Amino acid sequence: KAGVTQTPRYLIKTRGQQVTLSCSPISGHRSVSWYQQTPGQGLQFLFEYFSETQRNKGNFPGRFSGRQFSNSRSEMNVSTLELGDSALYLCASSLAGHTEAFFGQGTRLTVV
Amino acid sequence: GIQVEQSPPDLILQEGANSTLRCNFSDSVNNLQWFHQNPWGQLINLFYIPSGTKQNGRLSATTVATERYSLLYISSSQTTDSGVYFCPAFHHGSGNTGKLIFGQGTTLQVKP
Repeated sequence: KAGVTQTPRYLIKTRGQQVTLSCSPISGHRSVSWYQQTPGQGLQFLFEYFSETQRNKGNFPGRFSGRQFSNSRSEMNVSTLELGDSALYLCASSLAGHTEAFFGQGTRLTVV
Repeated sequence: GIQVEQSPPDLILQEGANSTLRCNFSDSVNNLQWFHQNPWGQLINLFYIPSGTKQNGRLSATTVATERYSLLYISSSQTTDSGVYFCPAFHHGSGNTGKLIFGQGTTLQVKP
């Protein structure tokens, strides 16, 4: 069966712009979580969506937001981009949230 | 919050050598997983191991939940084993939400 699909794979944006990343989970999985990975901070939890509802949120500013659609696909949006937002963004898919998670290939965002 | 300590932080091996990677948790955790992050950034599932021991080829893992640690054994290492290894888990007190707690990882380099 198909894995977790993230698009786009690479992105270059300018400071002040906004960006939208997409994640399509494994068929049948209802939980999608997002993580940011940087060399300095490691892997940090952004938020989790389950059945179109945000169920948990990490310690990130309000510029980071997300949503989940009825087909479980999820998007995350970052507004007013800063240089420090440059990172690898990973999404994870699982059946129910606290069950085995599967990650996508990630979106590598560079802010210039 | 809960802390995940991974050791060693860095490991250099000669091809064919064996190694043991360790994760310690500061609090009770659920549903621990082991991942290998490849050079392109994707997290590859190795084990879903809430407790007990599992083996998959040259790799095996043991989780002792009551003592809050997990071990990953790599035998007869190959250059393709190079990368970063993570052992995230869900905090026992976080309910059923999909917030994985990550450590800083163990970076393994296997030399030919």
